Amino acid sequence: QSVLTQPPSASGTPGQRVTISCSGSSSNIGSNYVYWYQKLPGTAPKLLISRNNQRPSGIPDRFSGSKSGTSASLAISGLRSEDEADYYCAAWDDSLSGPWVFGGGTKLTVL
Amino acid sequence: EVQLLESGGGFVQPGGSLRLSCAASGFTFSLYAMSWVRQAPGKGLEWVSTISASGDSTYYADSVKGRLTISRDNSKNTLYLHMNSLRAEDTAVYFCAKYTHFQLQRQDYFDYWGQGTLVTVSS
Repeated sequence: QSVLTQPPSASGTPGQRVTISCSGSSSNIGSNYVYWYQKLPGTAPKLLISRNNQRPSGIPDRFSGSKSGTSASLAISGLRSEDEADYYCAAWDDSLSGPWVFGGGTKLTVL
Repeated sequence: EVQLLESGGGFVQPGGSLRLSCAASGFTFSLYAMSWVRQAPGKGLEWVSTISASGDSTYYADSVKGRLTISRDNSKNTLYLHMNSLRAEDTAVYFCAKYTHFQLQRQDYFDYWGQGTLVTVSS
């Protein structure tokens, strides 16, 4: 059971906007940055969002992150077929669960 | 281009040992902390261990402490994970990941990952 809670699945049609949530606690999301990673089958996880809402170089602005209290969200606008992947949130944790905790992952399906 | 290539995974019986390697290229390996993160079948990601850039400091998840040992050879740009007393619950894909700082600290994070190597522990 992962420390950060994500919905196991999400879906959308091409062009739509979808959001994926990540719920934590005061010891992780509530007091530290949130990160988002994209993982395609058989490939390395790829950093999508750092420090709550920062996009690394090369990441399209279709991807955006936000945080409020002990929850965070990843939004993907203008959905494309190549966005079909697993998405994971991560955060530093100040409790015994740490130092790094992850979500269980959300499988995004583009219909 | 940063590249991380894991190797050494395989099938091992409970109580057995294995050594994973991660060959790094495309960045100055000796300047960054490195980590192992694993993913059990059907599960989420789990942080396993981190080693500082110099190798002086190591950190472990409670679930692996005393059984898994992280090390690095900066002259070979290679990260290792020595796995002993393996259990069925260690079955997972093991990823190596580059940290954005020379030391494990809260303000930094994992920016590049390898594709992973599968370790299966079963009788």
